[in-house]
Amino acid sequence: EAQVTQNPRYLITVTGKKLTVTCSQNMNHEYMSWYRQDPGLGLRQIYYSMNVEVTDKGDVPEGYKVSRKEKRNFPLILESPSPNQTSLYFCASSSRGRGRNGNTEAFFGQGTRLTVV
Amino acid sequence: GNSVTQMEGPVTLSEEAFLTINCTYTATGYPSLFWYVQYPGEGLQLLLKATKADDKGSNKGFEATYRKETTSFHLEKGSVQVSDSAVYFCALILRGDYKLSFGAGTTVTVRA
Repeated sequence: EAQVTQNPRYLITVTGKKLTVTCSQNMNHEYMSWYRQDPGLGLRQIYYSMNVEVTDKGDVPEGYKVSRKEKRNFPLILESPSPNQTSLYFCASSSRGRGRNGNTEAFFGQGTRLTVV
Repeated sequence: GNSVTQMEGPVTLSEEAFLTINCTYTATGYPSLFWYVQYPGEGLQLLLKATKADDKGSNKGFEATYRKETTSFHLEKGSVQVSDSAVYFCALILRGDYKLSFGAGTTVTVRA
């Protein structure tokens, strides 16, 4: 079954304690990205990766790091979490579409609800 | 830049009522348009999509038509069910790009 798997689903942590949220996809997709979802703001992209060892900042990258050492995995790292990073996080993956439209569907993980106290 | 504007919620309806969620967009190129749905406690799922002007996407009784002249992609369902209670996101992606631009989301609650 095609899927994007995030872990953990829920996490409560304290300010300044480094954490990693893992993301793995089994569809051999080139493109992976991280979003955060906040009330009234929709989903905002944090970081994305076009392929292995190729990452770039999205719209709200401050306070986050990512790595893409393998095609299937794209972990999100918070070196020193702060309360304003309390949010719902989603990982997504997609591939470049074939044909003239050039786009395909993005698959999302189940989400990680992070609370930083 | 690219942006998506969708009607604010929350929207509360009775079962079998007609649902419309408005979505308009601005884009620097030629976008594909999507509606994603997020059921309580779950991730986002693709509900429907349209890749060119006048295309109609449909799924699970929902429909949306890509209107280039009005830059709109309104979501409609003729008779909603309690199980349609969810958050609905309109989104776009430019042709050849990877990045999705999302609207703020509309929370829909359907009462029995």
